[in-house]
Amino acid sequence: SQQGEEDPQALSIQEGENATMNCSYKTSINNLQWYRQNSGRGLVHLILIRSNEREKHSGRLRVTLDTSKKSSSLLITASRAADTASYFCATDDGAGFQKLVFGTGTRLLVSP
Amino acid sequence: EPEVTQTPSHQVTQMGQEVILRCVPISNHLYFYWYRQILGQKVEFLVSFYNNEISEKSEIFDDQFSVERPDGSNFTLKIRSTKLEDSAMYFCASGTTQPQHFGDGTRLSIL
Repeated sequence: SQQGEEDPQALSIQEGENATMNCSYKTSINNLQWYRQNSGRGLVHLILIRSNEREKHSGRLRVTLDTSKKSSSLLITASRAADTASYFCATDDGAGFQKLVFGTGTRLLVSP
Repeated sequence: EPEVTQTPSHQVTQMGQEVILRCVPISNHLYFYWYRQILGQKVEFLVSFYNNEISEKSEIFDDQFSVERPDGSNFTLKIRSTKLEDSAMYFCASGTTQPQHFGDGTRLSIL
């Protein structure tokens, strides 16, 4: 797989349920970020987790990072219809450069 | 909260024409970026800009592309002679380190 591959590609749940998205990457990283993109809009930064961190919380978001498996997960608890969007993980290239390498994204649909 | 703003939101251009996409990054940020997203595909890095020069560019960013920070606030992406395959959403981003803050993008349609 390429740097930053998410699964599932699409996820459909009911309001109130939890949504879990996974991301895998190939190279060493300094940090991993999750972004949200509403249809036709820009990317909104959700959370950043550094390579020496294993778990991070922000509101209803919980991110884990397993550098030994080169994988991360994003959990959205008690989902709302407004969470409907595409979610992308993004990594730096580990070489100290600033560019982000994005995954293919997970399309989340939360039905009322 | 400060935002990255991009103009125009939609640009329609004939193939072979020059196009300039404009961005106003967040004022105290030092790093500036352009990314693009072809419909249905990944967001791809084009170029990063720091200290008034390109710090990194991708293979996509060939001689047809250029970036400029003409004054203290604007950051522009120019495509000299557009091709059909340049049709995409173009996102500007800025940051100090990470994370990067993105604008809403310019949808570029080449006819």
